[in-house]
Amino acid sequence: EAGVAQSPRYKIIEKRQSVAFWCNPISGHATLYWYQQILGQGPKLLIQFQNNGVVDDSQLPKDRFSAERLKGVDSTLKIQPAKLEDSAVYLCASSLGDPNQPQHFGDGTRLSIL
Amino acid sequence: AQKVTQAQTEISVVEKEDVTLDCVYETRDTTYYLFWYKQPPSGELVFLIRRNSFDEQNEISGRYSWNFQKSTSSFNFTITASQVVDSAVYFCALRLTSGTYKYIFGTGTRLKVLA
Repeated sequence: EAGVAQSPRYKIIEKRQSVAFWCNPISGHATLYWYQQILGQGPKLLIQFQNNGVVDDSQLPKDRFSAERLKGVDSTLKIQPAKLEDSAVYLCASSLGDPNQPQHFGDGTRLSIL
Repeated sequence: AQKVTQAQTEISVVEKEDVTLDCVYETRDTTYYLFWYKQPPSGELVFLIRRNSFDEQNEISGRYSWNFQKSTSSFNFTITASQVVDSAVYFCALRLTSGTYKYIFGTGTRLKVLA
């Protein structure tokens, strides 16, 4: 089966600019996650969708970050305006609905803020 | 608190040595799931194993084995006869069954296997 697809793979922008990331989960996976992974740290959940509804966005900096999942499939994560501390890898993952099912991760988008 | 602690930041071993990666967790949930993921230099997190909180059987898969001890809240991962290809960052994760089924990741252990 095809894995989780993410684009772009790399992105370099200047602070205060905006950026968007795209994720296409594994077909049939109801749950989609966006994580931020800062260098040397573990992934930190930004937002979790169940189909097209938000389940958990408690750690999403809502003043600058937004995410949507249209029709319960693809998702986009946007940052506007970007800050230096947003430099990180943004990982998308998907899973089936059961809690015992593992997440499957994409390759991530490496974001560098100048 | 609900968290995962991987106290070993980095481990270096010589090829063919055995190595154990430690994972200690805290949770209020009586039912939960534990996972190990591998993150090679390419960046993608790869699922290795899942363990239910009510199943304390240890598991072996090839050179990999996992020791789950509920009494000490630990879920340790051992690689036998390590190989250079095992070099990666390994993450232990806890999935809750309350609330939003949140995943909580540890900070990871970087394993370097030297030829």
